[in-house]
Amino acid sequence: DAKTTQPTSMDCAEGRAANLPCNHSTISGNEYVYWYRQIHSQGPQYIIHGLKNNETNEMASLIITEDRKSSTLILPHATLRDTAVYYCIVPLGDSGGSNYKLTFGKGTLLTVNP
Amino acid sequence: NAGVMQNPRHLVRRRGQEARLRCSPMKGHSHVYWYRQLPEEGLKFMVYLQKENIIDESGMPKERFSAEFPKEGPSILRIQQVVRGDSAAYFCASSPYRTGQATQYFGPGTRLLVL
Repeated sequence: DAKTTQPTSMDCAEGRAANLPCNHSTISGNEYVYWYRQIHSQGPQYIIHGLKNNETNEMASLIITEDRKSSTLILPHATLRDTAVYYCIVPLGDSGGSNYKLTFGKGTLLTVNP
Repeated sequence: NAGVMQNPRHLVRRRGQEARLRCSPMKGHSHVYWYRQLPEEGLKFMVYLQKENIIDESGMPKERFSAEFPKEGPSILRIQQVVRGDSAAYFCASSPYRTGQATQYFGPGTRLLVL
């Protein structure tokens, strides 16, 4: 099971891009990287996931390095409502390869400032 | 399409009482997961259920805790004889797929306070 490492906190100016890094150097070849966020007192929210190609959706972009040992979540135009704790997760699961256990560590507290 | 619903949102119990937490998954989702978040900590996996089956309860305390997801109705997380250490936020999530189950949709949580 791959462990992830993220900075404790980051600041970003409103309207600018927020780039949140994550290290997952022990990730194996068939393990995905998932990103979730948790706004204060709410349930976690799925953002995006990827295996080895870069991914983009309406919320964010995910850039995964070629060696897959790290990734960066990009919020292209951060707003005040993006202030949250962001979690980079490599899910665990059963021996059959179905990975459903989300382990939420400390994450990165992103504060978007006006 | 309504999201994952949990009730009650807040629950206060005295030590020794029972707590019942309910979770209605998103429409069409047949996989339910329960997580617990202790104060100032990240969420921890407790149990994974499908309709009428417990698939993985490896994160559930061995005593006093049980979960079910009946053929009809919501999933229930039951805590018997609650203690102060059970005070936490309990989140339910659901997913529609047998594969790709790490894409989970979370409810707003139930905050349990044990006095």
